[in-house]
This record gives sequence, structure tokens and C-alpha cells, in this order.
Amino acid sequence: DQQVKQNSPSLSVQEGRISILNCDYTNSMFDYFLWYKKYPAEGPTFLISISSIKDKNEDGRFTVFLNKSAKHLSLHIVPSQPGDSAVYFCAASVTGGSYIPTFGRGTSLIVHP
Amino acid sequence: DVKVTQSSRYLVKRTGEKVFLECVQDMDHENMFWYRQDPGLGLRLIYFSYDVKMKEKGDIPEGYSVSREKKERFSLILESASTNQTSMYLCASCDSLAKNIQYFGAGTRLSVL
Repeated sequence: DQQVKQNSPSLSVQEGRISILNCDYTNSMFDYFLWYKKYPAEGPTFLISISSIKDKNEDGRFTVFLNKSAKHLSLHIVPSQPGDSAVYFCAASVTGGSYIPTFGRGTSLIVHP
Repeated sequence: DVKVTQSSRYLVKRTGEKVFLECVQDMDHENMFWYRQDPGLGLRLIYFSYDVKMKEKGDIPEGYSVSREKKERFSLILESASTNQTSMYLCASCDSLAKNIQYFGAGTRLSVL
């Protein structure tokens, strides 16, 4: 049973517009959430994270929102650029537990020029 | 910058062969991980290690073993490769499980014929 779900396998966005990638989780013990970005033929790279004590974290064009009651987080990219085209993985972990993150299946983002 | 190096980018092996995938990190990280990535399945944890000579099973350890003789090196072993082990293998490391921001290698694409 998937504890971290990314229900959209792919997303297509026009350059300059907002990209919104969604992630849902089922385990209420998760208290630390991360987004990774992966280009083809490369390993994932850490993008942004958020602790459950916050509901928003921002880093440049990237903002992650956390809705604990809905067990939902989202990554907003504004404005989207063609170089943002990649697979984005959502991950969640329990800082008081094993700490090992559980990954979603990924969303492939394509930003069209 | 953290560097995680996987010894091979591409490997082609025959069914029944013993396969070694090597991973080296240069940041003195205590924790190292092996994942496999398959289309539509995301990243699945095979094994991890939190110290030299220590190992823990992940979600899909069957058919695999690992070795951590030195802190910087974590090897994944396929005792008898099978076609269902054809996949992208990713190694990662991190220094603080409390944050669990992992640094990934570029991956090894293994084909078992």
C-alpha cells in the first residue's frame, strides 16, 4: 500500500506559467517532507523540504505548501522554465522513527517554450 | 559539494551471473542507501547501512545483499542475476538522519539478459 502518492504521472505547462505538483500521504506519523528533482541519466537532487511545524516553505521560484489535516502537500514552481522539465519525487519521513524517507512514484513535468 | 560516485553507468549481465554494483561517497556520511527505480514505481529501498559493517533491509531486499567494509563504500550484490532485476540502481548517502536529505549518485542502468 502506497503511503506517499503522486497521482499525476505527468504534467504539461507553458513556460512562464505556474506548475503545481501534488502529493498525498496516508501515514499521520510523517513529519518531514522533501521534494527531489531528477533529470534523465542523473540521480535525484534535493530541491526543497518542509517540516510539519510549518505550512509553507519558499526558496526562489519553488514553494512547498503543507496541509496536515488533508495529508497533502504541493510544490509550486513560478514561473516555470523549460529547464524545470524533469521528474519530481515527493518523499516523507518520520524524524523520530527510522528517518528513512518513503518516496512517491514521481511526476514528470514538461515545460513547453 | 557532496559527491556520490557509482562505478558503472551501464551494465549488461547474463542471467545467473553474480553482479557487483559499487558506490563511493566522499563526504564521510554515516548512512548509505541502495534504491532501484522502475517506471511507474518510483524509488524503492533495497538496503541501507548506518555504519561500517551494519546493514538493514529495505522494502525489497529479496535477491540482493550488501557489503559495507569501509565508511565511504557501499556495495550492492546480486548473487544470481535474474531478468526481473533489470532496472536503474541508485546509491545515496546522508549525514544526518534527522534531516534525511540524501545525495544520490548518477545511477547504474543494469540489463540482465
